[in-house]
Amino acid sequence: ETGVTQTPRHLVMGMTNKKSLKCEQHLGHNAMYWYKQSAKKPLELMFVYNFKEQTENNSVPSRFSPECPNSSHLFLHLHTLQPEDSALYLCASSQRTSGRGEQYFGPGTRLTVT
Amino acid sequence: AQKITQTQPGMFVQEKEAVTLDCTYDTSDPSYGLFWYKQPSSGEMIFLIYQGSYDQQNATEGRYSLNFQKARKSANLVISASQLGDSAMYFCAMREPAIQGAQKLVFGQGTRLTINP
Repeated sequence: ETGVTQTPRHLVMGMTNKKSLKCEQHLGHNAMYWYKQSAKKPLELMFVYNFKEQTENNSVPSRFSPECPNSSHLFLHLHTLQPEDSALYLCASSQRTSGRGEQYFGPGTRLTVT
Repeated sequence: AQKITQTQPGMFVQEKEAVTLDCTYDTSDPSYGLFWYKQPSSGEMIFLIYQGSYDQQNATEGRYSLNFQKARKSANLVISASQLGDSAMYFCAMREPAIQGAQKLVFGQGTRLTINP
């Protein structure tokens, strides 16, 4: 596969469930990002990983727990979510400091919390 | 703080016409980059075009061009000869200075473009 992949594409979970979102990039990048996109809101940056090190956590509630085992994989572990967490979760990757800094996105996971 | 403003929530254009999507930005950093992304209903954000603050010429990529007016702090996207497949959300974004390595982007609210047959 090429580019950035995300699984699952759709997820419905109850508020007491635990689930994980997976992101994989095949672009040789070394920075990865999680974004949340809610209806009628701009993209909200959640987490930034740079060479597997978390460099940014934008005041995200602890019910979202990221994990970056290597520079190609990124996970978002979810537990005890709220209905307002329903959104499109997008993963992206980029080169760390060189180049233009454009980010390449995966197709997203559409999450519904019931 | 850097900020991106897209003032057009929605645009409706006839097929084959050209369309301009507005974007203004605010930054005190002399070195910055501007991006446009397309998001179809499938959800994926697709990178379209880039303009660097020191680039002498406006960026072009196929049917996409960027009307960069530095003094006015605007970076409008122009799509020539629009097609039905151009119907999507379009986001303008700016690169923030890299802190601890990773370069971050700040996005505007987006413009929903609808191409009518």
